[in-house]
Amino acid sequence: GQQVMQIPQYQHVQEGEDFTTYCNSSTTLSNIQWYKQRPGGHPVFLIQLVKSGEVKKQKRLTFQFGEAKKNSSLHITATQTTDVGTYFCAGRPLTQGGKLIFGQGTELSVKP
Amino acid sequence: EAQVTQNPRYLITVTGKKLTVTCSQNMNHEYMSWYRQDPGLGLRQIYYSMNVEVTDKGDVPEGYKVSRKEKRNFPLILESPSPNQTSLYFCASSLRGQGDGYTFGSGTRLTVV
Repeated sequence: GQQVMQIPQYQHVQEGEDFTTYCNSSTTLSNIQWYKQRPGGHPVFLIQLVKSGEVKKQKRLTFQFGEAKKNSSLHITATQTTDVGTYFCAGRPLTQGGKLIFGQGTELSVKP
Repeated sequence: EAQVTQNPRYLITVTGKKLTVTCSQNMNHEYMSWYRQDPGLGLRQIYYSMNVEVTDKGDVPEGYKVSRKEKRNFPLILESPSPNQTSLYFCASSLRGQGDGYTFGSGTRLTVV
């Protein structure tokens, strides 16, 4: 079936280092969303990308959507302890608009 | 406050005893969905609803039922729970479903013994 793969599963960084998580879909997506889940919390919507090659920024976070609309990345510059949590990508298949398929998530820990 | 409310937050039950997890949103959202979250598997969609009386299966619908009789409510029903349904469940809603981010509830941690 349709899958959204996300790597790495875990990432441990020193505060101030950069962090990137990657997302790849087996099918073309109409859009991709990113969520953050703090430990013990629920996923919180961060952003949606729709256009091929789109790049969006939110302060230290940079989100990209691939040209083929099958992959995406989230890059955090100069991580802080407040960035700790699990980051999920979620893709909406082009042919099944009702579904939103989540990747497995990347758990980020930041050492002060 | 705009929110998605799930109840209960925690539930321990025995195999075969029917249960319902309620979900309600106060944002007049058309789209609602249920997910289960298991370690290493991310969030997997159980069922979704694009509007009142319109529901469809997600990726892992077996053993679950849903109904959407009113716009605000989307209960998840486990007719005969089994231990493999022990999981963290999230209800989510969005305005239209296709172009909007989801608002998630706080989650229901279910244990089936």
